[in-house]
Amino acid sequence: AQKITQTQPGMFVQEKEAVTLDCTYDTSDPSYGLFWYKQPSSGEMIFLIYQGSYDQQNATEGRYSLNFQKARKSANLVISASQLGDSAMYFCAMRGGTGRRALTFGSGTRLQVQP
Amino acid sequence: EPEVTQTPSHQVTQMGQEVILRCVPISNHLYFYWYRQILGQKVEFLVSFYNNEISEKSEIFDDQFSVERPDGSNFTLKIRSTKLEDSAMYFCASSPTSGGTDTQYFGPGTRLTVL
Repeated sequence: AQKITQTQPGMFVQEKEAVTLDCTYDTSDPSYGLFWYKQPSSGEMIFLIYQGSYDQQNATEGRYSLNFQKARKSANLVISASQLGDSAMYFCAMRGGTGRRALTFGSGTRLQVQP
Repeated sequence: EPEVTQTPSHQVTQMGQEVILRCVPISNHLYFYWYRQILGQKVEFLVSFYNNEISEKSEIFDDQFSVERPDGSNFTLKIRSTKLEDSAMYFCASSPTSGGTDTQYFGPGTRLTVL
């Protein structure tokens, strides 16, 4: 069975600072994908970044980067230069197993950016 | 930029009634999904659909649920006899063909309230 754990229910960060949101996962599949989604108060789910299990380099997308430590089974999201608009729920998700497409989500981290 | 759309944005129904939630996936995507998020909880996978058939489903997706692609653009989720515990946000998602990241892009959601 696959499992995603996000241990930080809430995080605060000052505007313009960097913040790391933690995500650990558990799977027995050698091939899997890790995703981060942002859910603002309006409710939609916005894709941020993807990391494949065989990717050699950490993924980056603009101000988002993924700190992928395969041996530790962690895939932490780093947001640099936080903005007020970054205040939202952030979900880590995993797609695992050949032929499996279902995403397993963590419980989320609520990030609040303070001016 | 193409996006997944969902209608209605909010549906209120009486317990025992049938509801149909509608989605228009991104036009060149071939895989379609439904997820739900009970208020304050994590996002849960319901079902995936490919080539006009269910490819994967969760334990939540019992006989009360069904999916259909009635034409070339719409993708629907039907709940035959709604229960109070079906109250949730329902997200439709779509992803392109296999290979690469196969990222799932989510619609804005339909909030279902069962009274």
